[in-house]
Amino acid sequence: DQQVKQNSPSLSVQEGRISILNCDYTNSMFDYFLWYKKYPAEGPTFLISISSIKDKNEDGRFTVFLNKSAKHLSLHIVPSQPGDSAVYFCAASARGRDDKIIFGKGTRLHILP
Amino acid sequence: DGGITQSPKYLFRKEGQNVTLSCEQNLNHDAMYWYRQDPGQGLRLIYYSQIVNDFQKGDIAEGYSVSREKKESFPLTVTSAQKNPTAFYLCASSYYASGSSDTQYFGPGTRLTVL
Repeated sequence: DQQVKQNSPSLSVQEGRISILNCDYTNSMFDYFLWYKKYPAEGPTFLISISSIKDKNEDGRFTVFLNKSAKHLSLHIVPSQPGDSAVYFCAASARGRDDKIIFGKGTRLHILP
Repeated sequence: DGGITQSPKYLFRKEGQNVTLSCEQNLNHDAMYWYRQDPGQGLRLIYYSQIVNDFQKGDIAEGYSVSREKKESFPLTVTSAQKNPTAFYLCASSYYASGSSDTQYFGPGTRLTVL
């Protein structure tokens, strides 16, 4: 049973436009959400996180939005750049209850020239 | 330079042999983790350790063993009992305090191929 779901295996976006990656979760105990970026044959790198007490967190070109009632979060990248082509993993945890981070299966983002 | 190192980058072993993957961190992180990634899959947790000399099973611990004798090191042994050992193995670490882990940071990974 997948607790963190990324329903789009891949996404193609024109360079300079906005990339929107979506993620849904089922466990209402999750209170901390993260996005990681991964290039092939490398470890994931942390991008941005959001606590459940917020509905938006911004860091440069990256913004994460959290809709708790819908159990949905999204990562916006604007403007998209060629170096953004990678696999993006959504992850969630219930801090203080269970320290495990649960990862989605990832979305491969292709930035088109 | 602070970071997490995993060695080697690529590892080949014959079926039936145990193999140990190295993970070292100099970030002074308390907690360390081992994940496995297979094609088209997310990261699945094998084992984790929040303090020295203590560790817990993750979701897919069967066929694996770990030790945490030092804060900086968390080696993973893939035993001959692991049915599908060929995979990309990732080590991560984080701060841990008051029963709550912080953001995890990952090493570069080890690609293990069992022939």
